[in-house]
Amino acid sequence: EPEVTQTPSHQVTQMGQEVILRCVPISNHLYFYWYRQILGQKVEFLVSFYNNEISEKSEIFDDQFSVERPDGSNFTLKIRSTKLEDSAMYFCASSYVARFGSYNEQFFGPGTRLTVL
Amino acid sequence: KNEVEQSPQNLTAQEGEFITINCSYSVGISALHWLQQHPGGGIVSLFMLSSGKKKHGRLIATINIQEKHSSLHITASHPRDSAVYICAAQHNTDKLIFGTGTRLQVFP
Repeated sequence: EPEVTQTPSHQVTQMGQEVILRCVPISNHLYFYWYRQILGQKVEFLVSFYNNEISEKSEIFDDQFSVERPDGSNFTLKIRSTKLEDSAMYFCASSYVARFGSYNEQFFGPGTRLTVL
Repeated sequence: KNEVEQSPQNLTAQEGEFITINCSYSVGISALHWLQQHPGGGIVSLFMLSSGKKKHGRLIATINIQEKHSSLHITASHPRDSAVYICAAQHNTDKLIFGTGTRLQVFP
């Protein structure tokens, strides 16, 4: 069964460093998402991406964050200068929308645990 | 702004018991998702529904659009059902707004 994959599973970085989290969505999916979950808190939406551009982003997704689909398979989240409060589990998700306005379930990757020291 | 509330926050049950987890939301939605989060953190989609009722194995999800309320039921619960169950609301965009989750522990 096709699945969303994410690498690395755990990333430790120093405050101020740049990190890139990688995701490979399910191959025929068209919508891509990043969510994050700070330890002990609920999952929060960061950004959605469709047709090679951001379709929606949350207040969390400030100028320090960027997303990219550099090739036909990868979908990346970059944090330019990490802060302590960026420590969280980051989930990538993808969905296939058969037609505009039709919402499908989102398939989640296993997550990347980011620890900022 | 849509808020998604779940109850209870924590739930313990004996194997075989019937489980109900409730979810309410404040603003009209286009779809309501139920997801399961395992102890390791992975998230699995269980149901997506916009009206009525859906059933998959021992899991049943219902939604009442007028009352802005959804329930997830587990029949004949089993220790392997132990996980965090999350409801998430979807509006006229793709993003999901998550509830805080219900931690379920089923004891043999």
